[in-house]
Amino acid sequence: DTGVSQNPRHKITKRGQNVTFRCDPISEHNRLYWYRQTLGQGPEFLTYFQNEAQLEKSRLLSDRFSAERPKGSFSTLEIQRTEQGDSAMYLCASSSGRDRGNSPLHFGNGTRLTVT
Amino acid sequence: AQSVTQLGSHVSVSEGALVLLRCNYSSSVPPYLFWYVQYPNQGLQLLLKYTTGATLVKGINGFEAEFKKSETSFHLTKPSAHMSDAAEYFCAVSGNTGNQFYFGTGTSLTVIP
Repeated sequence: DTGVSQNPRHKITKRGQNVTFRCDPISEHNRLYWYRQTLGQGPEFLTYFQNEAQLEKSRLLSDRFSAERPKGSFSTLEIQRTEQGDSAMYLCASSSGRDRGNSPLHFGNGTRLTVT
Repeated sequence: AQSVTQLGSHVSVSEGALVLLRCNYSSSVPPYLFWYVQYPNQGLQLLLKYTTGATLVKGINGFEAEFKKSETSFHLTKPSAHMSDAAEYFCAVSGNTGNQFYFGTGTSLTVIP
């Protein structure tokens, strides 16, 4: 168990640019989640994958956001035409799902995005 | 729909004093409840999770949480605060499927030497 890995740790970009983040979950976990966290707030759900299928998407996830998990292993989150309001910490988490709702999330250390 | 409310966005305690962080849940069915801790510039780390039928749940680093169905609460406690406990604490609830987890707004714990 090497934990959830996220890259990059930090990303600074100019408004209007596209950015892509990567998440490598714990290898035996088939569930993967993306969350966004702004300063002083709790994580807000963005999207959820079970294997390669994207099963849930938050209304927070505008058309500029897209997430993929092509082979049911790593996942990418892309933000197109970034806006200053996109500045946040983007957290990835994985879960085995063995106990369904009682299977805890295991988080990576996040990618901090700053849009200038 | 499930949700959690954390009362008190900031809590300060003296080193060695009791820590009490409050969490109330809203759920139409028996909930799955969790407490997480977050240190600066890091992800969230699981402290403990509620186990159906239990009233007192023990977690890591000496933390415990008491489930009170009558009060819809799942407060986090630690008998004696340590400087290393200074962090942000989040209560979370999930539904039966585990497709979504809902987090509270967090409580920032300061430990005064």
